[in-house]
Amino acid sequence: QVQLVQSGAEVKKPGASVKVSCKASGYTFTSYGISWVRQAPGQGLEWMGWISAYNGNTNYAQKLQGRVTMTTDTSTSTAYMELRSLRSDDTAVYYCAREAVAGQYYFDYWGQGTLVTVSS
Amino acid sequence: SYELTQPPSVSVSPGQTARITCSGDALPKQYAYWYQQKPGQAPVLVIYKDSERPSGIPERFSGSSSGTTVTLTISGVQAEDEADYYCQSADSSGTYFFGGGTKLTVL
Repeated sequence: QVQLVQSGAEVKKPGASVKVSCKASGYTFTSYGISWVRQAPGQGLEWMGWISAYNGNTNYAQKLQGRVTMTTDTSTSTAYMELRSLRSDDTAVYYCAREAVAGQYYFDYWGQGTLVTVSS
Repeated sequence: SYELTQPPSVSVSPGQTARITCSGDALPKQYAYWYQQKPGQAPVLVIYKDSERPSGIPERFSGSSSGTTVTLTISGVQAEDEADYYCQSADSSGTYFFGGGTKLTVL
């Protein structure tokens, strides 16, 4: 069965960086894109960006351009999301989600979420 | 900019029909998708391509589209349907957008 298992909770200071991992199993990793979506406490879902696990192409949300980097390691079927220059409003649960069908923009499987807390 | 607008809350009694709308100027050109999210859990896809239901999703969940508005309908609402619901779409460049979410309360 398809699973996306994310790394554990993180606490960071303002200005630091965080790197969250998302290990995929149960399917051919390179056949699907991965998006990252975050959710601040009590707020809605915010799409952060997408990466092709096939060729590493990326598409980042304009709001996060320059602060976010998404990568994949096909040898371990793992996607990564690094966010730099953290601020208090980056405190959120971060999800990875699999693009259901190439070129059809929706998600069929989600990771369990990783809480990132930014606090001095 | 691409915006999707949902009502913040909808309330229904058990057994009634809940309708949650999502409006956006681009919806006539792009499909909409719906996710259910319960507290402390990741979202779950309940409708894709405006009106298709994934396997495992109860038949009481349905979707429809008319012009700039898409609607998620839950017929015969059950207590377990109480959750936040998000619509989602994307533009042709693969940039995704979410609506603000609707909290469904089962009275």
